[in-house]
Amino acid sequence: QLEESGGGLVQPGGSLRLSCTASGFTFSEHAVSWVRQAPGKGPEWLSYFSSSRSTIYADSVKGRFTITRDNAKNSLFLQMNSLRAEDTAVYYCARDISSLAFDVWGQGTQVTVSS
Amino acid sequence: QSVLTQPPSVSAAPGQKVTISCSGSASNIGSHFVSWYQQLPGTAPKLLIYDNYNRPSGIPDRFSGSKSGTSATLGITGLQTGDEADYYCATWDGSLSAGVFGGGTKLTVL
Repeated sequence: QLEESGGGLVQPGGSLRLSCTASGFTFSEHAVSWVRQAPGKGPEWLSYFSSSRSTIYADSVKGRFTITRDNAKNSLFLQMNSLRAEDTAVYYCARDISSLAFDVWGQGTQVTVSS
Repeated sequence: QSVLTQPPSVSAAPGQKVTISCSGSASNIGSHFVSWYQQLPGTAPKLLIYDNYNRPSGIPDRFSGSKSGTSATLGITGLQTGDEADYYCATWDGSLSAGVFGGGTKLTVL
């Protein structure tokens, strides 16, 4: 399973670091992604970290968000800088088994960007 | 506005069959695998179909997926009230170099 943490209320322009801890599977062998969902909207893919350590970002977060992972700690992170109101959403980490095929999801963590 | 187009809503009676379409282009559905998700209110999306037609363990065979050209379809047979949910297609887009989700389809079981 996956469990996110680190969400909360932050002012526009602020930063937040999300964490995702994996258990029950060999984390280092799997690609993982961050996906968010704004209120009343569909999911939005944000970023991907492969098992071979390559990373990809959606244009909407490129240059502002950074994905990292620590296989020794079975953890995935998302450093979010220069946050905007439109970044308000529930953020999920998910295990990626194929092209946008996420078979394990966390419960999500709420990020609210507001003054 | 998503690059993957789904009907906003579909409906059918219990026990009936419904299909949900997902229309894309050569850069996404036309050249990459498609996944389908079910999302109940307040919960994370649940993977129903991956690699166009494969079901993860535990997903009943009432759910099926297919792909033809730049379109994909999710089929659900033997509809149950518990199937009422939002359904999303997803795939990779080579032109955008990004993952993309469809806008979602709300299924109502009348």
